[in-house]
Amino acid sequence: SQTIHQWPATLVQPVGSPLSLECTVEGTSNPNLYWYRQAAGRGLQLLFYSVGIGQISSEVPQNLSASRPQDRQFILSSKKLLLSDSGFYLCAWRRDSSNTGELFFGEGSRLTVL
Amino acid sequence: GESVGLHLPTLSVQEGDNSIINCAYSNSASDYFIWYKQESGKGPQFIIDIRSNMDKRQGQRVTVLLNKTVKHLSLQIAATQPGDSAVYFCAETPRVFGAGTRLAVHP
Repeated sequence: SQTIHQWPATLVQPVGSPLSLECTVEGTSNPNLYWYRQAAGRGLQLLFYSVGIGQISSEVPQNLSASRPQDRQFILSSKKLLLSDSGFYLCAWRRDSSNTGELFFGEGSRLTVL
Repeated sequence: GESVGLHLPTLSVQEGDNSIINCAYSNSASDYFIWYKQESGKGPQFIIDIRSNMDKRQGQRVTVLLNKTVKHLSLQIAATQPGDSAVYFCAETPRVFGAGTRLAVHP
């Protein structure tokens, strides 16, 4: 069966510090991978998605970047965090790029920037 | 631009009642929709989906209705239980999620 792991689960970082959130998927190959941010009490905002190794699409201009060094690994990074980067970050995968099919989400990483 | 939105941000129901969560979408070309359930502090989980060539689809205690004429879909939960308490999202594509409705079930 397929699983998705996301870490760390909780992170408290000072403004200006770097960030690295990692996500790995097991049990499938060539998944579509996604990073979302969810502000408190709000919906999901798509930040990045990837259809293959080294292929990253950015949905919104921001202080964050994403990388996909391996087929089943997706990393969300920042060189210098801002207060506005605080939120709940969710990694997700989907089987392909077709117009149908559910997303499978990780458990999320809660980031607090102080 | 595209948007998928919800009519009610919070819904409170008594245990055992039926719940109805609504969602409106703006892209008339959309042909696939998903409902997700998100429990507190966790990632969303798939509940049910529906294609635009259907008006209704049923699962276990859940039914999704799609009205393409008014671009509206709803999620119906029968005999709501405390474990149904969560935030429910409709989604059109991986890019377009509704803002979510919080369902609170009271004993």
